[in-house]
Amino acid sequence: GAVVSQHPSRVICKSGTSVKIECRSLDFQATTMFWYRQFPKQSLMLMATSNEGSKATYEQGVEKDKFLINHASLTLSTLTVTSAHPEDSSFYICSAKRGGQTSSYNEQFFGPGTRLTVL
Amino acid sequence: QKEVEQNSGPLSVPEGAIASLNCTYSDRGSQSFFWYRQYSGKSPELIMFIYSNGDKEDGRFTAQLNKASQYVSLLIRDSQPSDSATYLCAVNLPAAGNKLTFGGGTRVLVKP
Repeated sequence: GAVVSQHPSRVICKSGTSVKIECRSLDFQATTMFWYRQFPKQSLMLMATSNEGSKATYEQGVEKDKFLINHASLTLSTLTVTSAHPEDSSFYICSAKRGGQTSSYNEQFFGPGTRLTVL
Repeated sequence: QKEVEQNSGPLSVPEGAIASLNCTYSDRGSQSFFWYRQYSGKSPELIMFIYSNGDKEDGRFTAQLNKASQYVSLLIRDSQPSDSATYLCAVNLPAAGNKLTFGGGTRVLVKP
């Protein structure tokens, strides 16, 4: 159990376009999902916390109007990078936290990541 | 002071030996602790979590937690070349709600 998928795995786009990334929990309901960004040779940086049915909570320095997050159901969250620029090129990874008693210790399960390249 | 600190490495270990990784954290109220393995170009994979003082073993991996000294460690016994990866320590900070705070990771190289 605890499988998280992401789509697409890799995307190349032109500067100024928008890109949508999907994150799905396949075999459990995720009350909370997280979006991270990772630049080469650096650690994970949390961008935002996504709760089903409510607005996302963004970390300091992350533009909420640029990185749109929608958590429409207990198994799906989407991140849209609007008006992408080359500096947005990065590895975007989502994670999901299980709801219920088994989630007492806040373990997160990561999707395989999406590599975004903005030309 | 960073909230979660790890030695960046690389930690070079001969095949078959024990790899010992350490992680320190600053918030005494931290409740749960996680070790993730990340291969180059891939996303992190949960190896273990621990929440009580002492040792927790799972196969070749042992996590050790000492809340008084605010450190958590990971031992990898009988290290294999396939264990070569970056190991991320993550801590749940109560003040941060459900979020995990990650250390910078320790790169481990297991040499045949």
